[in-house]
Amino acid sequence: RKEVEQDPGPFNVPEGATVAFNCTYSNSASQSFFWYRQDCRKEPKLLMSVYSSGNEDGRFTAQLNRASQYISLLIRDSKLSDSATYLCVVAGGTSYGKLTFGQGTILTVHP
Amino acid sequence: GAVVSQHPSRVICKSGTSVKIECRSLDFQATTMFWYRQFPKKSLMLMATSNEGSKATYEQGVEKDKFLINHASLTLSTLTVTSAHPEDSSFYICSAREGRTEAFFGQGTRLTVV
Repeated sequence: RKEVEQDPGPFNVPEGATVAFNCTYSNSASQSFFWYRQDCRKEPKLLMSVYSSGNEDGRFTAQLNRASQYISLLIRDSKLSDSATYLCVVAGGTSYGKLTFGQGTILTVHP
Repeated sequence: GAVVSQHPSRVICKSGTSVKIECRSLDFQATTMFWYRQFPKKSLMLMATSNEGSKATYEQGVEKDKFLINHASLTLSTLTVTSAHPEDSSFYICSAREGRTEAFFGQGTRLTVV
């Protein structure tokens, strides 16, 4: 089983749509969770951290369920500029904990 | 956000030569730096974790004598691809963390070995 697994995608949605990405992780000791986005041939950039209480940043909502070891990202009112690969990232609890990436989910938003 | 600078962004080298890639944290002290490689349409694969002042921890299957990592200071880590071969051609990305914060990524280095 992969340490971090994401929906395989790709997702092709029209502008204005709501799209949800799911992610599961296998290491129950993981303590930090993130969503990154990566544009084609560019480095990943932090989209948002994920907290147990859930967090929202504009059109983006992230949630974490520790019991199910499940992370989600919801994007509302999709924009063309949201087209990218979304990476679910899990990290250990120590300052030396490595980041483990999911395989990424490709999102394409079309007019 | 924090800035991580990676250099060079693109390099072409001849088979058998060595290439050094630098990763610098510009406005914070990176207690840990990570080196990844990414093949086209694939996710990032961790190669090694580098802690300042100590030897890097390599992931299974990564040759430590081929991919030399040095993390001599809290702001600089280097990856040297020794005796490069065409199969080493890839996108290499570093990231840096300060403590338990999120990681910030360098711009990446596209290595082509001819």
